[in-house]
Amino acid sequence: GAVVSQHPSRVICKSGTSVKIECRSLDFQATTMFWYRQFPKKSLMLMATSNEGSKATYEQGVEKDKFLINHASLTLSTLTVTSAHPEDSSFYICSAGTGGDRISPLHFGNGTRLTVT
Amino acid sequence: GQNIDQPTEMTATEGAIVQINCTYQTSGFNGLFWYQQHAGEAPTFLSYNVLDGLEEKGRFSSFLSRSKGYSYLLLKELQMKDSASYLCAAMDSNYQLIWGAGTKLIIKP
Repeated sequence: GAVVSQHPSRVICKSGTSVKIECRSLDFQATTMFWYRQFPKKSLMLMATSNEGSKATYEQGVEKDKFLINHASLTLSTLTVTSAHPEDSSFYICSAGTGGDRISPLHFGNGTRLTVT
Repeated sequence: GQNIDQPTEMTATEGAIVQINCTYQTSGFNGLFWYQQHAGEAPTFLSYNVLDGLEEKGRFSSFLSRSKGYSYLLLKELQMKDSASYLCAAMDSNYQLIWGAGTKLIIKP
């Protein structure tokens, strides 16, 4: 089956620093990748949709200058949390779809637990 | 507006059957997904329904009624490892997924 690898799984950083999270599709080409944020006991909140070779589409209320998304190839998308603050602490999850079938199930990475101190 | 409703938490006994309900309101409809999410992990795909009726896949079955905006996930022969959150997500006319808050299922011996 399709595998999505997300790295790192956990990261602790100091306030004011930047953190990069990578999302890779290992055995398929992902034309579209999605970045989610999840708070404890809450559902997934879509942050942005990234398409290979074009700018990401951010959901309302998500600061694009703070959450930088780059989808430079069909197998890699990165999310950079710039100038992180404690309120950015959360569980970040990426998912990927082939794009060829818009109704295909999403394949999720294992998530990144970010803690900003 | 678009909305997904599902119970916050359910408790069931090992070996029993449990049904997790989900109602949805979306702008257009391109199907209903169920995902399983264990604590601290990412969701994994369980099922997809776009036509009315019951889809059976081993111990798990999913049902859809488009006219009622209703779906359920049926888990049979419950095992302790089934303790997880179950997320219902409906896809709207723009192929965007609208996520429910998830149902935490607690399995007791």
